[in-house]
Amino acid sequence: EVQLVESGGGLVQPGGCLRLSCAASGFTFSNFWFHWVRQVPGKGLVWVSRISSDGSHTTYTDSVEGRFTVSRDNAKNTLFLHMNSLRDEDTAVYYCARDSYLETSGSYYGLDLWGQGTTVTVSS
Amino acid sequence: DIVMTQSPLSLPVAPGEPASISCRSSQSLLHSSGFDYLDWYLQKPGQSPQLLIFLGSNRASGVPERFSGSGSATNFTLRISRVEAEDVGVYYCMHVGQSRPSTFGQGTKLQIK
Repeated sequence: EVQLVESGGGLVQPGGCLRLSCAASGFTFSNFWFHWVRQVPGKGLVWVSRISSDGSHTTYTDSVEGRFTVSRDNAKNTLFLHMNSLRDEDTAVYYCARDSYLETSGSYYGLDLWGQGTTVTVSS
Repeated sequence: DIVMTQSPLSLPVAPGEPASISCRSSQSLLHSSGFDYLDWYLQKPGQSPQLLIFLGSNRASGVPERFSGSGSATNFTLRISRVEAEDVGVYYCMHVGQSRPSTFGQGTKLQIK
């Protein structure tokens, strides 16, 4: 089955760290770019980060730049989001999403596969 | 970063009636490739977002024909020709930055009258 499954969320104190994982199955993980998107319950979607298929290119929203690091292990079909210096405002549901951009052809077909999300709560 | 502005933020629509959502960007989304990197997503209640439209006007696989996207550069529109009960949820436009941060609009909540 083609799917993304996030894990690693939980309760963490301000200033703490957490590592989220996104396990992919049913498709060739190494061919795709990926995004992390977060959402405070009841609020809108907020884009967080993007990583290229080989991990060499990463982009972040300003509010997490320098605190979060996106990475991937193509041998294990897993995407990661390493979150440091966590703040109250990082509390959210975090989704991983597959980006259908193909570098070889330059074609793009949207963020066509999303996980179910994992909840991060930053609180003392 | 590019700012995406949607309107309206709330959209009550009677079944069978058309609906339209506007999305404006603070900068042109027209890429050197000739494509506008603007997508539309729907988040149904209690679910993860799902892709509706990519590159401004291309329906994703499995998306009903009543959904259409149009526009270019800084002005985009999502239209639903005849709203059905299953279309309830929050609609988001999103700019996917090829070498810069991506951004979502604030979301438009579609409700059935």
